[in-house]
Parts: sequence; C-alpha cells; structure tokens
Amino acid sequence: DGGITQSPKYLFRKEGQNVTLSCEQNLNHDAMYWYRQDPGQGLRLIYYSQIVNDFQKGDIAEGYSVSREKKESFPLTVTSAQKNPTAFYLCASSIRAKQFFGPGTRLTVL
Amino acid sequence: GENVEQHPSTLSVQEGDSAVIKCTYSDSASNYFPWYKQELGKRPQLIIDIRSNVGEKKDQRIAVTLNKTAKHFSLHITETQPEDSAVYFCAATGYNFNKFYFGSGTKLNVKP
Repeated sequence: DGGITQSPKYLFRKEGQNVTLSCEQNLNHDAMYWYRQDPGQGLRLIYYSQIVNDFQKGDIAEGYSVSREKKESFPLTVTSAQKNPTAFYLCASSIRAKQFFGPGTRLTVL
Repeated sequence: GENVEQHPSTLSVQEGDSAVIKCTYSDSASNYFPWYKQELGKRPQLIIDIRSNVGEKKDQRIAVTLNKTAKHFSLHITETQPEDSAVYFCAATGYNFNKFYFGSGTKLNVKP
C-alpha cells in the first residue's frame, strides 16, 4: 500500500471551482481506479483505466474527469458540474485482480 | 451489471465470539471475491480473497466461503478481538477484472 500515494490529504473547494486530486503509484500496476466513498456507504466507481491513454467511465462519472498520460499517474478532476462533491476519494491500482488503495483525499465544499 | 448485497450493516459481538458477514452477487460471470477491512479514516486493506474455483480459503482467524450455485460468499472471523473492529467490505469482479463491485459494508464492533 505504501506504493500508492494521494495528495492532498484534505482539500477544500469553493463552489464553482475545479479541483484536481493526485494519485501516483510506483508498483508498476497497469490498472488504476477512482472511487468515491460517502459516510456509511460502500465504494462507488468513478473512472478506471486499464492502460496508458485509455480510461472508462464507472457508475458515477458525471462531473468528474481523468487523464492517464503516464502509467504511474491517474489524476482526478472534480469539476463545478459535480453538484455534491463532498466525500472521501480513494484511488486504487491492481495487478492480477488484487486491488490496493491509496490513503484517500477528503474533499469538502465550502 | 453486477449487484453485490452485503448483510448485516452492523454487527456487534463479544470478544472471543465468532462473526459472520454475508454477501450475495448477481452475475454468474464474477469469479474473484475479495474482502477488505477499513478502519476509521483509513484506506481499505485487502484481508482475504477467493476465486471461483475454490470453495473455502482460510488465513489464521479469518476464512471465506463461496457457494457459486447460490451466488453467495461469506467472511468468517473466529476468536474476535477488539482490533477486529472496523468496517468490512466484500467485492466481486469478473474475468477481465475491469470493474470491482462493492457491497455497502458491515460495521463490526467487538466488545471487550
């Protein structure tokens, strides 16, 4: 797990702003994922990427965007179109089905 | 798509007792079932997993069972300890391991 880092740990956003959450991994994993976790709920998939320069929408992609220009990096942008972005965001990477998570970013809209 | 349901949502046991958490899935193509433990404010950690060609897997005090016919799998924790208190998530994924579908979580409280 130490091979996956997310920054920042806490992020505050004003209404109407776009913000970008960072996710980096040095595990040489091909697949990377972004999840959103709301209090008392499970993990919901936002986007995932199996290889560089390719990514797919998950179940709740509206209001979010991603890029995968490098194998190690999978940043998530929360746009102003996301009406309720306050949540805990988890990045993950996987190899041979085993998925490992980063420490998370807690985003709060002011 | 796949739908994973998890029960119970909360579970309280006395230290030393056993705890069982159950999940059902809908897609018969799913073939890999991991379990994660998440402590408050922390990242989920993989604690055990099972593939569809195996009926049971054990690792010290934790075990997972899978019934492919009934499409359900369970996590068993024996001799529970206070440090087992956390939220546990089950998940399912298919052959390509493209998407993981998570249950809604079970908050386990082990009372000393």
